[in-house]
Amino acid sequence: DAGITQSPRYKITETGRQVTLMCHQTWSHSYMFWYRQDLGHGLRLIYYSAAADITDKGEVPDGYVVSRSKTENFPLTLESATRSQTSVYFCASRAGTGINTGELFFGEGSRLTVL
Amino acid sequence: SQQGEEDPQALSIQEGENATMNCSYKTSINNLQWYRQNSGRGLVHLILIRSNEREKHSGRLRVTLDTSKKSSSLLITASRAADTASYFCATDASYSGAGSYQLTFGKGTKLSVIP
Repeated sequence: DAGITQSPRYKITETGRQVTLMCHQTWSHSYMFWYRQDLGHGLRLIYYSAAADITDKGEVPDGYVVSRSKTENFPLTLESATRSQTSVYFCASRAGTGINTGELFFGEGSRLTVL
Repeated sequence: SQQGEEDPQALSIQEGENATMNCSYKTSINNLQWYRQNSGRGLVHLILIRSNEREKHSGRLRVTLDTSKKSSSLLITASRAADTASYFCATDASYSGAGSYQLTFGKGTKLSVIP
């Protein structure tokens, strides 16, 4: 089906483990994003990518790694998970380039709990 | 940190009443967007208003933008129980300079529409 999908939807892990959250979109959108959503903080941008092999930091990038070898995929890796990374993670994408930020399309979220 | 801040944080109204949510932001913008999030789901785009527009309508939604006051409002008319959700405003912010702008979100207004 067309759209943006995230996996896994739910994940429980332990402190220090590596976790990868997957994001796949079928629209061939140039831009892809990772946000985290926490009570009291709203949504905060972690990393974004303007195209394959082009990534850049957002507001809260520490502790996260991203890659984008293919336009349709944008995985987010927590190399050594910490409890403060317990959150709901949202992937999003948008078409177009340049300054004018258009509509974002969001996935359903990945709820991560770090014990 | 968030560029936009919604007010109120929570709003409870009866079905059929109008709901008004406000958003204030800090720096100049290219456009402002409103999103909706149902509990446990991803965000869904509602409406985009450009910096040179003052008002925009979409069905029961009316958005206004006052760039001199750096504020926007979202009005939902004749609310329904199905409008119960969190509503977020989003504005573009620069994270890496060089004309790269990405969306930053407020903390949201939680709207409850009582049948």
